[in-house]
Amino acid sequence: AQTVTQSQPEMSVQEAETVTLSCTYDTSENNYYLFWYKQPPSRQMILVIRQEAYKQQNATENRFSVNFQKAAKSFSLKISDSQLGDTAMYFCAFLLNRDDKIIFGKGTRLHILP
Amino acid sequence: DVKVTQSSRYLVKRTGEKVFLECVQDMDHENMFWYRQDPGLGLRLIYFSYDVKMKEKGDIPEGYSVSREKKERFSLILESASTNQTSMYLCASSARLLGAFFGQGTRLTVV
Repeated sequence: AQTVTQSQPEMSVQEAETVTLSCTYDTSENNYYLFWYKQPPSRQMILVIRQEAYKQQNATENRFSVNFQKAAKSFSLKISDSQLGDTAMYFCAFLLNRDDKIIFGKGTRLHILP
Repeated sequence: DVKVTQSSRYLVKRTGEKVFLECVQDMDHENMFWYRQDPGLGLRLIYFSYDVKMKEKGDIPEGYSVSREKKERFSLILESASTNQTSMYLCASSARLLGAFFGQGTRLTVV
């Protein structure tokens, strides 16, 4: 079975700093997708960034980028120039190419401090 | 924009009641999911459906059932609500490899 591990339950950084959230996963398969989701306080969960396992190039979306290390089964999220609006729960998620179930980690609560 | 709408934002029910949580998506997605979110436990999959009238158990299906009579609607049913089912419930739909799109969540309290 596939598992997703987020080792940092909670983090705090100063506004404008760069922060990296860790995620590791376990699978014996080769074709899959990885995602980072953001859930602001009392608000809807939204997709931040998506990575296809067959692509070596790391995905980026504005201030958000990933460091995808397939051999190490690691998928970290880097937030550059952090803003107060980045305060949220962040979830790492995994989807097998041949499957329909999306598996989530337990989340990292990120606080951006003014 | 993909829209996933859950019928209630907050719900309070009594122990033993039958509870229906409704979810509607407007993007013609085949897959729909019900997750439960609890502090420290992340999102746990209750049930998912990959087509009309098709369903599959997730990791924690006990005490729950689902119904998908139409493609756009996926209902979660608590047959006899118990206090340990007090939680945040999240519905999502997906077009497979694009990832999941979530509703706003239903915070259910069972008293």
